[in-house]
Amino acid sequence: DTAVSQTPKYLVTQMGNDKSIKCEQNLGHDTMYWYKQDSKKFLKIMFSYNNKELIINETVPNRFSPKSPDKAHLNLHINSLELGDSAVYFCASSRGLAGVSNEQFFGPGTRLTVL
Amino acid sequence: GQQVMQIPQYQHVQEGEDFTTYCNSSTTLSNIQWYKQRPGGHPVFLIQLVKSGEVKKQKRLTFQFGEAKKNSSLHITATQTTDVGTYFCAGARAAGNKLTFGGGTRVLVKP
Repeated sequence: DTAVSQTPKYLVTQMGNDKSIKCEQNLGHDTMYWYKQDSKKFLKIMFSYNNKELIINETVPNRFSPKSPDKAHLNLHINSLELGDSAVYFCASSRGLAGVSNEQFFGPGTRLTVL
Repeated sequence: GQQVMQIPQYQHVQEGEDFTTYCNSSTTLSNIQWYKQRPGGHPVFLIQLVKSGEVKKQKRLTFQFGEAKKNSSLHITATQTTDVGTYFCAGARAAGNKLTFGGGTRVLVKP
């Protein structure tokens, strides 16, 4: 019954490794997002997809590559992990585009720790 | 780029007291949303304001959107321990634009 789900919930890995985080929403929403929340709790948008099309790509290192196989899924692959990548990554979805009065539903988050 | 700032960063409140947190945008917004994140949890949508000068209430929470649509406030009356968490405002400039989140106000309640 979870509206937006993410796996894994925790991810501990070594510097230089490649890892993926998966997100799924069962709300029938058209738009999905990836946010990064650092240790100071700042929430920053990374990517946004609308109907599987990338519409927002913030200044994120190209080691981060999102992929949306269908409207209900948005995955995030990270290459060559660095210490600064340690954070909580939230997936979110909304019925339509941000800015068109659409609330966003957040997943439970994936806490990534890079050692 | 667009910036959204929130003050205060931290708010220590005695249970039963009132407090207000403020949100200011560097640009005019099309709408503003408020979210609450409990410790260890994820942001949860509280409310959205669209019209200039709009005021909305949810039980003990009162949300206001400024006349110029560049600022907003959240006022909580008779604070309870269940109000603990971080309150974020988030604004969008136009349709299709991203939501820019403020830095959040972390609320701690002293029983």
